Amino acid sequence: DTEVTQTPKHLVMGMTNKKSLKCEQHMGHRAMYWYKQKAKKPPELMFVYSYEKLSINESVPSRFSPECPNSSLLNLHLHALQPEDSALYLCASSPRGLGNQPQHFGDGTRLSIL
Amino acid sequence: GQQVMQIPQYQHVQEGEDFTTYCNSSTTLSNIQWYKQRPGGHPVFLIQLVKSGEVKKQKRLTFQFGEAKKNSSLHITATQTTDVGTYFCAEAAGNKLTFGGGTRVLVKP
Repeated sequence: DTEVTQTPKHLVMGMTNKKSLKCEQHMGHRAMYWYKQKAKKPPELMFVYSYEKLSINESVPSRFSPECPNSSLLNLHLHALQPEDSALYLCASSPRGLGNQPQHFGDGTRLSIL
Repeated sequence: GQQVMQIPQYQHVQEGEDFTTYCNSSTTLSNIQWYKQRPGGHPVFLIQLVKSGEVKKQKRLTFQFGEAKKNSSLHITATQTTDVGTYFCAEAAGNKLTFGGGTRVLVKP
C-alpha cells in the first residue's frame, strides 16, 4: 500500500475538457512533487512545492496548473491538453524539500487525451 | 538534458544468476538514489549513497558509489522473479531528482 494517494487512477479527457488530478499524503511531509512519465521512460519532474510554495517549475506549459491548498494536498489542474500529454502522472512527497531525502511516490494517474 | 546515463537499457537474466547495472555521469554527483519500478507500478526508493566509495547492501542487492562520485552500480546476486522491474538511479541535488534512463530487468525462469 502506498502512503501517497492519487485520484483518479485513470482519466480519459478530450482536448477541450478541464479536469484535475489530486494527490494526498498524511506523513507530515513538507515537499510535494509532480512528475510526468511516458511509457518506458524515466519520470520527468514538472513541479516542486516546498512548504506549500511553488519552488520549481520545469518550464511546464501553462495548460498544466499546480495548486497546493495545504501541506497534505497537491492538485494538478488540466485544461486544453494535447494528445502528447497522455502519460502517467506521478505525485511524490518527501519530508523536506531537500535533495538528500527519499521520495515517496503514489500509484499515479494514467491520463489519456483524445 | 539527462545528466546520468544508465547501462544497460535492458537486462535479460536467468533466474539464479547475478547481474550489475551501472549509472554514469560526466560531472561529480552530490548523491545518488536508487529506485525500483515494477511493471504497472510506481518508483519505490531503495537506497541513497552520499560518500565517495560508499558500499551498502540490502539482502541480495549491493549498491556502490564510485571514488570520484561520477558513477554508481547496483549488483543483484541470485536473481529471482521478484527482481523484475526497472531500476533507476537518480541524482538528488537541490530539491530535485533527475532520473537516469533506467535498466529494464527481465528474469527467465
